[in-house]
Amino acid sequence: GEDVEQSLFLSVREGDSSVINCTYTDSSSTYLYWYKQEPGAGLQLLTYIFSNMDMKQDQRLTVLLNKKDKHLSLRIADTQTGDSAIYFCAEGDNNAGNMLTFGGGTRLMVKP
Amino acid sequence: DVKVTQSSRYLVKRTGEKVFLECVQDMDHENMFWYRQDPGLGLRLIYFSYDVKMKEKGDIPEGYSVSREKKERFSLILESASTNQTSMYLCASSLVPSDQPQHFGDGTRLSIL
Repeated sequence: GEDVEQSLFLSVREGDSSVINCTYTDSSSTYLYWYKQEPGAGLQLLTYIFSNMDMKQDQRLTVLLNKKDKHLSLRIADTQTGDSAIYFCAEGDNNAGNMLTFGGGTRLMVKP
Repeated sequence: DVKVTQSSRYLVKRTGEKVFLECVQDMDHENMFWYRQDPGLGLRLIYFSYDVKMKEKGDIPEGYSVSREKKERFSLILESASTNQTSMYLCASSLVPSDQPQHFGDGTRLSIL
C-alpha cells in the first residue's frame, strides 16, 4: 500500500526558516497536502499542490514537489513561535476519491 | 467557513462500555471520515461514508462501527470499548470531487479505563 514518511521532530529559532520534508511511495498521487495541528486541536489545511506543479507559494509558505524522487517539502519563512505545531503531509489519489494517506507528522518547535 | 463539530473534546469510559462519538458538519459535504491518531503513527482511517446510509471500511475498522442516518451526521461506535482504543479520534468531511480537501473537527480524546 501507499506509504508517507516524515521525520518526527524539527527545532528552529524564531526568525529562521523551517523546512519540513516528506516522502511518499504512491506514483499515482494526484494531490499532496500539508496540514497543521496545534495542541489539543484538529487538523487545519495549510496548503496543497497538484502533482503537475513543482512549486507553490502562499505568503510565508513555499511547497516544493520533486515528483521524480517523490519528495515534498514545506518551507516556512520567518518562523514564529505561533508556528509551533505538528505538521502532517498527506497524499491523495484521483483514483481513490477523497481518500488520503497521512504521514506520521513532524513536530516543529520554535525557540524564542 | 466549513464547520466540523465533534460532540466531546474529552471522554472517559470503562472497558466493555458501548461508546458513541458524534460528528456534525454544516457544509452539505457528501464524504465523511473517522480517523484515530496515535503518536508516531499519524492518522489512520477507521471508516468513511460517501453518502447517507453508505459506509466503507478504512484501514483499521476492527472493533468499530459507524452510522450515517443523515447527511450532516456521522457517528463512530465502539461496540465494547477496550483499553487499546484509547486515542484521539478525528472526524473529517469533504465534497465529492477528488481535488477537494478534507476539513477536520477538533478531535475527541477518548480514554478507556
